[in-house]
Amino acid sequence: NAGVTQTPKFRVLKTGQSMTLLCAQDMNHEYMYWYRQDPGMGLRLIHYSVGEGTTAKGEVPDGYNVSRLKKQNFLLGLESAAPSQTSVYFCASSYGNRGPHTGELFFGEGSRLTVL
Amino acid sequence: DAKTTQPNSMESNEEEPVHLPCNHSTISGTDYIHWYRQLPSQGPEYVIHGLTSNVNNRMASLAIAEDRKSSTLILHRATLRDAAVYYCIRKPTGTASKLTFGTGTRLQVTL
Repeated sequence: NAGVTQTPKFRVLKTGQSMTLLCAQDMNHEYMYWYRQDPGMGLRLIHYSVGEGTTAKGEVPDGYNVSRLKKQNFLLGLESAAPSQTSVYFCASSYGNRGPHTGELFFGEGSRLTVL
Repeated sequence: DAKTTQPNSMESNEEEPVHLPCNHSTISGTDYIHWYRQLPSQGPEYVIHGLTSNVNNRMASLAIAEDRKSSTLILHRATLRDAAVYYCIRKPTGTASKLTFGTGTRLQVTL
């Protein structure tokens, strides 16, 4: 049981390049999330998904796109990377609040992205 | 705006109890209080949550004030491995855990 796995763990991009971060979870969670964390700051929600084929915007969605084609995967894309997108990106997943589930988030280890 | 207020940092000696406070004076009646912690170079991990009653689990205890305007996370015996940033979060009702993480409290544990 790997939990939440993010790939790649590190990446350096040049301004204007594109890339995709992959998040995979093996807990059969309905909900998945992408957060970013900048130095000295808390995590900010970029996009999230409440089920396969659905996505929604979070607090800081501009410059990012997401897709949830399979329940276990949530992809975060940067179409034209900017230095302001240099950050550590965290993926998380959860059940909902129904029944015994608490909505507890399970996080990956993070992906460190640098845009030059 | 689901904000909470926490001290920026706290220190504790190893083997001693730690009380991490959190103010959430504008909490609504149906918001849960969640605590997460983030160890260095790792993603956050869930610690505990509660609504009205005090809660205990293997990691910590959560004491919630009667008026729910504040809460305290209690680590009964701090270890060096407990050094982390602790986040207190209000979780609105609803099925998506769109949690708002503030800057948290950085806990230092010394020998």
